[in-house]
Amino acid sequence: GENVEQHPSTLSVQEGDSAVIKCTYSDSASNYFPWYKQELGKRPQLIIDIRSNVGEKKDQRIAVTLNKTAKHFSLHITETQPEDSAVYFCALGGYGQNFVFGPGTRLSVLP
Amino acid sequence: DGGITQSPKYLFRKEGQNVTLSCEQNLNHDAMYWYRQDPGQGLRLIYYSQIVNDFQKGDIAEGYSVSREKKESFPLTVTSAQKNPTAFYLCASSMGVLDSTGEAFFGQGTRLTVV
Repeated sequence: GENVEQHPSTLSVQEGDSAVIKCTYSDSASNYFPWYKQELGKRPQLIIDIRSNVGEKKDQRIAVTLNKTAKHFSLHITETQPEDSAVYFCALGGYGQNFVFGPGTRLSVLP
Repeated sequence: DGGITQSPKYLFRKEGQNVTLSCEQNLNHDAMYWYRQDPGQGLRLIYYSQIVNDFQKGDIAEGYSVSREKKESFPLTVTSAQKNPTAFYLCASSMGVLDSTGEAFFGQGTRLTVV
């Protein structure tokens, strides 16, 4: 089945700095690319998503970029805050296929 | 209030017992999923269902069973055959595999502990 690689597995940044997490995939049929945030002991929640007809999407401090040719997409968080500390999962979706989640990145924002 | 609900939030099981985790959604979603999450780990797919009365094994189905008799319900049974069942279990739903281009909603999870 489809495989999603996510890097890095852990990331520590100073408060106010930017954080970038990257996912790569192999199935060119994928056309939906969401990012989920999971705080400790809680459910994953969608924070931003992008579809294959768009190269970039931004929502305040969060942005996602997609390179369909190279088959990778990235989450960008600017001006990081302590409440951004969580585990972030990328995922893939597309017609006729289940969601596939990446292995996750543990982000720590240091005060 | 639409959403996906798991119960119970915490569950304790004695070794050798079967236990069933509940998952209900009122989002009119066709697809439902069960994931297992171990501490510090990602989401591993146990079972999924794309439509009523149909379900498929995920990556770690051994020791688990499911049913999908109603669109809104997808219970997971952890059987005594599951060697290491202590984990956090998450249920999710989405529009459907024929349209998995929409958000997947997660329940709040059930933390199962074998005592």
